[in-house]
Amino acid sequence: NAGVTQTPKFQVLKTGQSMTLQCAQDMNHEYMSWYRQDPGMGLRLIHYSVGAGITDQGEVPNGYNVSRSTTEDFPLRLLSAAPSQTSVYFCASSYSFYVQDTQYFGPGTRLTVL
Amino acid sequence: GQQLNQSPQSMFIQEGEDVSMNCTSSSIFNTWLWYKQDPGEGPVLLIALYKAGELTSNGRLTAQFGITRKDSFLNISASIPSDVGIYFCAGRTYPGIIQGAQKLVFGQGTRLTINP
Repeated sequence: NAGVTQTPKFQVLKTGQSMTLQCAQDMNHEYMSWYRQDPGMGLRLIHYSVGAGITDQGEVPNGYNVSRSTTEDFPLRLLSAAPSQTSVYFCASSYSFYVQDTQYFGPGTRLTVL
Repeated sequence: GQQLNQSPQSMFIQEGEDVSMNCTSSSIFNTWLWYKQDPGEGPVLLIALYKAGELTSNGRLTAQFGITRKDSFLNISASIPSDVGIYFCAGRTYPGIIQGAQKLVFGQGTRLTINP
């Protein structure tokens, strides 16, 4: 049981490049979410999903796309990277939308956009 | 949007000292959560509080849900080196609709450093 896994752990992009941050969980959790963590700002919700095929925007969705084709995977796509997207990205999952307090976080992806 | 003010932003203490940190908001929350983040890792839930006035312990950690529902406190007694990390508070509300009903709002974090 690996929990929540994220790849890559580190990534450097040039402005305008696109990439996908991968997130997978093996706990059969319905609810998955993406956060970004910036110094002095805590974690902010980017997008979330309450189940396969269902996604919605969080607090800071601009510049990011998500999809949820399977229960296990919830990739985050940066369409055209900008320096403002330099951050640490965390994926999280929980059993259901109504039990968010037992969220399990992945180890994070540290992204730098030059 | 809703914001949480967490203080202090950082603490430098001696091993064995007690630690206190808090979160305040202008908004009312129905749940308060406290997480710890170790370097290079994601946050891990320490304590969850569900009722105003509730006091809950987890080993040397004790957290309280403020009576006004706008604040919460975390205390760590007799700190040890493995307590080093960043502590986050998070508040959750229930606006009563399904989509977007439950969103966690996180504080900025308290970075705890311990001198042995």
